[in-house]
Amino acid sequence: DAKTTQPNSMESNEEEPVHLPCNHSTISGTDYIHWYRQLPSQGPEYVIHGLTSNVNNRMASLAIAEDRKSSTLILHRATLRDAAVYYCISWVGGSEKLVFGKGTKLTVNP
Amino acid sequence: GAGVSQSPSNKVTEKGKDVELRCDPISGHTALYWYRQRLGQGLEFLIYFQGNSAPDKSGLPSDRFSAERTGESVSTLTIQRTQQEDSAVYLCASSERGRGLDEQYFGPGTRLTVT
Repeated sequence: DAKTTQPNSMESNEEEPVHLPCNHSTISGTDYIHWYRQLPSQGPEYVIHGLTSNVNNRMASLAIAEDRKSSTLILHRATLRDAAVYYCISWVGGSEKLVFGKGTKLTVNP
Repeated sequence: GAGVSQSPSNKVTEKGKDVELRCDPISGHTALYWYRQRLGQGLEFLIYFQGNSAPDKSGLPSDRFSAERTGESVSTLTIQRTQQEDSAVYLCASSERGRGLDEQYFGPGTRLTVT
């Protein structure tokens, strides 16, 4: 079965970096890895996506392993507003289906 | 420009009734996605439409669920003979291109309650 696995929860202190891991062992060689987050009582919002090399945007960085079986979302300086559930998403290789991780609930301590 | 819109925003229905949920994607977006989120749980992928290609329906929870999309426009998710376990927020998203090339933009969701 296709699987995308993430830790259930992580905790960080404000202003410190956070590394959120994800394993996506069944990803194909040509599909992107996406990260979304869901703030409390809100809909999901896009964070970042990438294919092979590391990616940076104003919100975060994405480090993708060389074999693409895992990735790490990096928040360089966590703020209280970053407290959310972070979802890692990948396509099931050879299919038209997406696989979600169960999400990592990030708590940011002041 | 206008974002993804969904209607109704809330729907309360009796067990056994059929419901139809609607999603209007962002104009020009070729890909459209449906998800389900039960209370306190994560996102569950249901189905993905890309252009005029036939979708893979194997992600739909049961044969009571069906989804249609005409070209690159509106999509409807229909649930027949609703059950209490169908209660959830149903989210729709669209992206300019499919297969994960671009970010998905999510609609506000339809909260379905089956009594």
